[in-house]
Amino acid sequence: EADIYQTPRYLVIGTGKKITLECSQTMGHDKMYWYQQDPGMELHLIHYSYGVNSTEKGDLSSESTVSRIRTEHFPLTLESARPSHTSQYLCASSEGRGREQFFGPGTRLTVL
Amino acid sequence: GQQVMQIPQYQHVQEGEDFTTYCNSSTTLSNIQWYKQRPGGHPVFLIQLVKSGEVKKQKRLTFQFGEAKKNSSLHITATQTTDVGTYFCAGNDYKLSFGAGTTVTVRA
Repeated sequence: EADIYQTPRYLVIGTGKKITLECSQTMGHDKMYWYQQDPGMELHLIHYSYGVNSTEKGDLSSESTVSRIRTEHFPLTLESARPSHTSQYLCASSEGRGREQFFGPGTRLTVL
Repeated sequence: GQQVMQIPQYQHVQEGEDFTTYCNSSTTLSNIQWYKQRPGGHPVFLIQLVKSGEVKKQKRLTFQFGEAKKNSSLHITATQTTDVGTYFCAGNDYKLSFGAGTTVTVRA
């Protein structure tokens, strides 16, 4: 079982609130990723990082931001949550670019 | 840019039957990966194919990489209820791009 963790697992929050989704991995992977996935739908890459102090936007435009101050930690922040942000957010990491990705259990976000 | 198309989007299978899901890329890939996501779960890595024409088997699952390294298939024989879930292919060119997935349901 991969050592990648996400908290919270479930979050219900009101419109306009600031939220941070946590993602940590203990595998020492340089590469980390955030995906957004609606139920039963495809994965959309919204952010990725190839190492400390490196962050890039993914294929799907997102109002969220990320930071990578430590190798093991890759939090995602929404400054002002909206109902359109309701989705599942999956964090992943890999040993190298193009290598297999290990996914966390996900955070299911509901914005009312 | 690189695009990975996956068909069919949905596959309803009678228990015990075989089925195949296909993955096609607009560009030549250095490798292709397959993942399985159970309902309510997260994607889990199944296998990676690297060589042209490569075929790998995992019990009842057979994975194939095309000769041109632009397509791949996953064939499941004697489908069981444990095969339920969404199967994603992910093509690696300069980055990993996931297909939309094939969601499999099984009729007992």
